[in-house]
Amino acid sequence: KQEVTQIPAALSVPEGENLVLNCSFTDSAIYNLQWFRQDPGKGLTSLLLIQSSQREQTSGRLNASLDKSSGRSTLYIAASQPGDSATYLCAGGPVGDAGNMLTFGGGTRLMVKP
Amino acid sequence: NAGVTQTPKFQVLKTGQSMTLQCAQDMNHNSMYWYRQDPGMGLRLIYYSASEGTTDKGEVPNGYNVSRLNKREFSLRLESAAPSQTSVYFCASRDTGAPNQPQHFGDGTRLSIL
Repeated sequence: KQEVTQIPAALSVPEGENLVLNCSFTDSAIYNLQWFRQDPGKGLTSLLLIQSSQREQTSGRLNASLDKSSGRSTLYIAASQPGDSATYLCAGGPVGDAGNMLTFGGGTRLMVKP
Repeated sequence: NAGVTQTPKFQVLKTGQSMTLQCAQDMNHNSMYWYRQDPGMGLRLIYYSASEGTTDKGEVPNGYNVSRLNKREFSLRLESAAPSQTSVYFCASRDTGAPNQPQHFGDGTRLSIL
């Protein structure tokens, strides 16, 4: 059974700092690895999706990497802004299920201080 | 664009009462999902519907039933609510017409069972 862990659970940084959020998973046979953002009282918004055959994806100031051999993914946020404050979740889906049975990590709650 | 709409946004029930949570999406997606989010447990999949007319159990299906009413709508029913079902419930949908598409989430239903 896939288990996904995110460390740290919470992170506070000053505005402008570059930061890395970590996600580890136990089963390297994943269909894809997804990163989501969740604002308080809201649903999840997809940020980046890395296919199992890819090593990284980029969108603006965000870069996500995937290393299946070590069971790790990272989300890099460049030049952080107060508007980046949110909870970030990663999720992986098993091969053979075509991405239906996502397993989520517990999330990292990020606060960017002005 | 409305995306994924969940009703109601908040609900308080007494133990033993029944209730149906509604979800509708306007993106013409084939697959729809129900999750629950609990502190310290992350998001867990309750049921999903890969396509109209099909439903499958997720990680925590006990105590719930679902109905895929049509392509747009996917409802979650609690027949006899229990305090352990107090949670935030999220509905999501996904376009499976192309591989590796992300899930799109609603804003959730906050359910308290006394």
